[in-house]
Amino acid sequence: DAKTTQPNSMESNEEEPVHLPCNHSTISGTDYIHWYRQLPSQGPEYVIHGLTSNVNNRMASLAIAEDRKSSTLILHRATLRDAAVYYCILSPSGAGSYQLTFGKGTKLSVIP
Amino acid sequence: EPEVTQTPSHQVTQMGQEVILRCVPISNHLYFYWYRQILGQKVEFLVSFYNNEISEKSEIFDDQFSVERPDGSNFTLKIRSTKLEDSAMYFCASSETGLSTDTQYFGPGTRLTVL
Repeated sequence: DAKTTQPNSMESNEEEPVHLPCNHSTISGTDYIHWYRQLPSQGPEYVIHGLTSNVNNRMASLAIAEDRKSSTLILHRATLRDAAVYYCILSPSGAGSYQLTFGKGTKLSVIP
Repeated sequence: EPEVTQTPSHQVTQMGQEVILRCVPISNHLYFYWYRQILGQKVEFLVSFYNNEISEKSEIFDDQFSVERPDGSNFTLKIRSTKLEDSAMYFCASSETGLSTDTQYFGPGTRLTVL
């Protein structure tokens, strides 16, 4: 399985943008890039996913490098509620149930 | 907004006892999953379930574990004879389809403590 590499931790000031990087140099052409997050004492929560093009939703933006070997999750204005562990996960395209393979993720701290 | 629910929120049991963890997936979802997270460690996949059958399971999911959809709404994880190392948070998840583009929705988890 293709692997991802993320920094262990990052800090951000409240109301500032946050860029969370993820390296996935062995990504295959059909792997989707997913981001989930886990708030303290909660289950993981979907954030965003993409394949090749940059993606936006109400929670965040996902910027994918042209060679797809890295991606960046962008939170446009960090709030205290965004303090969580963020996971970058690859999944192969296709049908049939698929498992999410979580790494250690990046622990984001938001400073008031 | 529909959500996955899990009961109980916390289960304490003695080593060797059987436990059943319960989940109610989102009603129109067809794929169901169990994950666990030992304190301070990664979230680990246990099993996926579709059409009343296990689709995939990990090495963790040995003969001590079983899953069932006993009725149209519940999805259960049974551990037959609990061990100390089974102490963890157990998360249920569901998705509408099995496509890798689909979102998995997670429940709040059940904290299992084995004494």
